Amino acid sequence: DVKVTQSSRYLVKRTGEKVFLECVQDMDHENMFWYRQDPGLGLRLIYFSYDVKMKEKGDIPEGYSVSREKKERFSLILESTSTNQTSMYLCASSGGLAGGGYNEQFFGPGTRLTVL
Amino acid sequence: QKEVEQNSGPLSVPEGAIASLNCTYSDRGSQSFFWYRQYSGKSPELIMSIYSNGDKEDGRFTAQLNKASQYVSLLIRDSQPSDSATYLCAVNILKASGTYKYIFGTGTRLKVLA
Repeated sequence: DVKVTQSSRYLVKRTGEKVFLECVQDMDHENMFWYRQDPGLGLRLIYFSYDVKMKEKGDIPEGYSVSREKKERFSLILESTSTNQTSMYLCASSGGLAGGGYNEQFFGPGTRLTVL
Repeated sequence: QKEVEQNSGPLSVPEGAIASLNCTYSDRGSQSFFWYRQYSGKSPELIMSIYSNGDKEDGRFTAQLNKASQYVSLLIRDSQPSDSATYLCAVNILKASGTYKYIFGTGTRLKVLA
């Protein structure tokens, strides 16, 4: 049974705090993604990685950074949180080369982050 | 123009009816197409993928792709209350850089009335 796990389901942070969200997949997938999902805006890509130590900016990378030191693990870092980063954060992975091609994405359960 | 467009709904259908969900996309370089279902508070899960023109059937679900008209649709036959969810259309595009870009629509909320 394929699995993508995320380190936390719910997080509450204060403005300016650092947040580290971790995602782990057990499918040996090359590609991993971080999205945020907000009502009316849908899923928006923050960053993705198509190989270890490789990353590519998505549509909304400002205020975020990522790290992929091992194939199965992709981390999203919010260095100094702001209230507009309150959102649902979803990690996904897919097989195939260079972003997935014809392959579906498998999603983790999501982390609901609230920044006060 | 949005790259992937869906009517936000809600689309309400009675139990047992056919639900028809539509999606249009703007990039003619789109290569693969996906339908995901997302229950409230949960993450998206794949229902179907389709890559070539025509229909693809899987149980009560049929995906239809028309690349000339740039639309993809999902039909749900014999709709059940458990089908009530938001349905996301996704398109994968090969970029000039050689990497793929996966683009999601904002979703259509389906309500199946018992």
